[in-house]
Amino acid sequence: EADIYQTPRYLVIGTGKKITLECSQTMGHDKMYWYQQDPGMELHLIHYSYGVNSTEKGDLSSESTVSRIRTEHFPLTLESARPSHTSQYLCASTYAGDRGLRQYFGPGTRLTVL
Amino acid sequence: QKEVEQDPGPLSVPEGAIVSLNCTYSNSAFQYFMWYRQYSRKGPELLMYTYSSGNKEDGRFTAQVDKSSKYISLFIRDSQPSDSATYLCAMTGSGSSGSARQLTFGSGTQLTVLP
Repeated sequence: EADIYQTPRYLVIGTGKKITLECSQTMGHDKMYWYQQDPGMELHLIHYSYGVNSTEKGDLSSESTVSRIRTEHFPLTLESARPSHTSQYLCASTYAGDRGLRQYFGPGTRLTVL
Repeated sequence: QKEVEQDPGPLSVPEGAIVSLNCTYSNSAFQYFMWYRQYSRKGPELLMYTYSSGNKEDGRFTAQVDKSSKYISLFIRDSQPSDSATYLCAMTGSGSSGSARQLTFGSGTQLTVLP
């Protein structure tokens, strides 16, 4: 089982609140990713990181921001949550030795914004 | 049009059946083809991947890629109730192994194997 953790697992919050979704991995992977997954829909990449102090936006436009101050930690922040942000958020990581094909996923955070 | 199309199912089969899951794609630059399995309330986990066209077998699972038709398949032999999950195909180009490789996922097929 992958050593990648996400907290909280479930979050219900009101509109306008600031939230941070936590993601940590203990595998020493350089590359980390955030995906958004809605029921019956494909995973959409919203942010990724090559390593410390490196972050990029993914294909799906997102109002969230990320930071990568430590290798093992890749938090995602929403400054002002809206109902349109309701979704499942998945964090993943890879190491270069596997050509980046095997992404190790956390269990996800299911976010509901009322 | 989506780059990767996958029948969402749901697919329900009896235990012991052979299951066929499929994806089609439009981007001819895709070179690596993966199948991920996602159990309920869990993140996806990689089952297997193949490079370019051909077959790859791993136990009860066989992945097939036909690049000429832009069509990939996952076969599950002697299916078990523990195989009940959502199966997602994923693809990417050859790119650089050092880059943060971006995968394009299908929407997943929900499979239930009935005991």
